[in-house]
Amino acid sequence: NAGVTQTPKFRILKIGQSMTLQCAQDMNHNYMYWYRQDPGMGLKLIYYSVGAGITDKGEVPNGYNVSRSTTEDFPLRLELAAPSQTSVYFCASSYSAGTGARGYTFGSGTRLTVV
Amino acid sequence: DQQVKQNSPSLSVQEGRISILNCDYTNSMFDYFLWYKKYPAEGPTFLISISSIKDKNEDGRFTVFLNKSAKHLSLHIVPSQPGDSAVFFCASSVLSNDYKLSFGAGTTVTVRA
Repeated sequence: NAGVTQTPKFRILKIGQSMTLQCAQDMNHNYMYWYRQDPGMGLKLIYYSVGAGITDKGEVPNGYNVSRSTTEDFPLRLELAAPSQTSVYFCASSYSAGTGARGYTFGSGTRLTVV
Repeated sequence: DQQVKQNSPSLSVQEGRISILNCDYTNSMFDYFLWYKKYPAEGPTFLISISSIKDKNEDGRFTVFLNKSAKHLSLHIVPSQPGDSAVFFCASSVLSNDYKLSFGAGTTVTVRA
């Protein structure tokens, strides 16, 4: 049981480049989330999805896009990378809001540097 | 607008003693509160949670206390062990709001031998 898998683990991008951060879960979770963590800061929600075909913005969505064509996958797209997007990105999943007591399952993160 | 605040960025404690981590929140609609632990180069892992209808939840060495009137929760770790050296995040949620978690900035715990 792999849980939540994120790829790549590390990436260096040049300003203006684009890339897709991959996230896959094998737990049949309905809810999936993308967070970013900047140094000394808490995790901030970028986008989330409550099921295949449904996505919504979080707290810091500018500069990002997402799609959810399957239950398992929730890729995060960065268009025109900027230095402000240098961060560690975490994908997470949850079965439903009813499992509030157990929280999310997180992936191990993608460390992105934009230069 | 940070709804969850952890005002102590770090905590150093001797092995075997108690660690107390604090968290304050501003949103009175939060109905679930969670603690996560994070090691370097890993994702956060769930530690313990508490519903807003309770004031205490215990799981082994970990106890979370909730004071709704003060909008304050704390995590007690007794006894502290070397494996507890990690970053601890407080998080809160309104379950009816698509279960989006709001996180504090984290407290780095160092357990000294």
